[in-house]
Amino acid sequence: EAAVTQSPRNKVTVTGGNVTLSCRQTNSHNYMYWYRQDTGHGLRLIHYSYGAGNLQIGDVPDGYKATRTTQEDFFLLLELASPSQTSLYFCASSDRPGGQYFGPGTRLTVL
Amino acid sequence: GDSVTQTEGLVTLTKGLPVMLNCTYQTTYSPFLFWYVQHLNEAPKLLLKSSTDNKRTEHQGFYATLHKSSSSFHLQKSSVQLSDSALYFCALSDLYGGSGNKLIFGTGTLLSVKP
Repeated sequence: EAAVTQSPRNKVTVTGGNVTLSCRQTNSHNYMYWYRQDTGHGLRLIHYSYGAGNLQIGDVPDGYKATRTTQEDFFLLLELASPSQTSLYFCASSDRPGGQYFGPGTRLTVL
Repeated sequence: GDSVTQTEGLVTLTKGLPVMLNCTYQTTYSPFLFWYVQHLNEAPKLLLKSSTDNKRTEHQGFYATLHKSSSSFHLQKSSVQLSDSALYFCALSDLYGGSGNKLIFGTGTLLSVKP
């Protein structure tokens, strides 16, 4: 099974703060994804990537940037965090149709 | 557009009883359906998947059959256990990898099993 790690696991910031969430996968998967999970909304796709240097817009991209620096590393950036971005964030990866493998999640609180 | 519908937000059952969690979908491409399970404070994990029409797939006592005629992929288990208490997501993807293997998730069904 794919190994996907995320850091930090918990983060508290203030409104207007700058936050970077990190994700690394070690199974050479081409595709990586960032989701947010909120009660009543399930998992919603923020951004995703086909490979290093590639970025695709997801379904809820407003307020988020992302960057894929290598095949292994995918970052989510919140440059002016707002309380509405308080959520549980998951990173996932896949290499072909057949499902995605999720990291353990980062709980972000914006005060 | 493409979508997944899970009609039950919460299902509460007594241990040992059977369960069925509903999942229907709408899509314009060849469907690949998934069930993910998420236990409290954990990541979603793949439970079942199928792209074959009318073929039952099973894992860890759970089973589901993709029915393209009714656009359904319901999750079932004959006897639930306390450890089955979790959030269950149905998800849809393109069998041929279009749209970057994106998954479209339903809103989830929380299964609560009582002693």
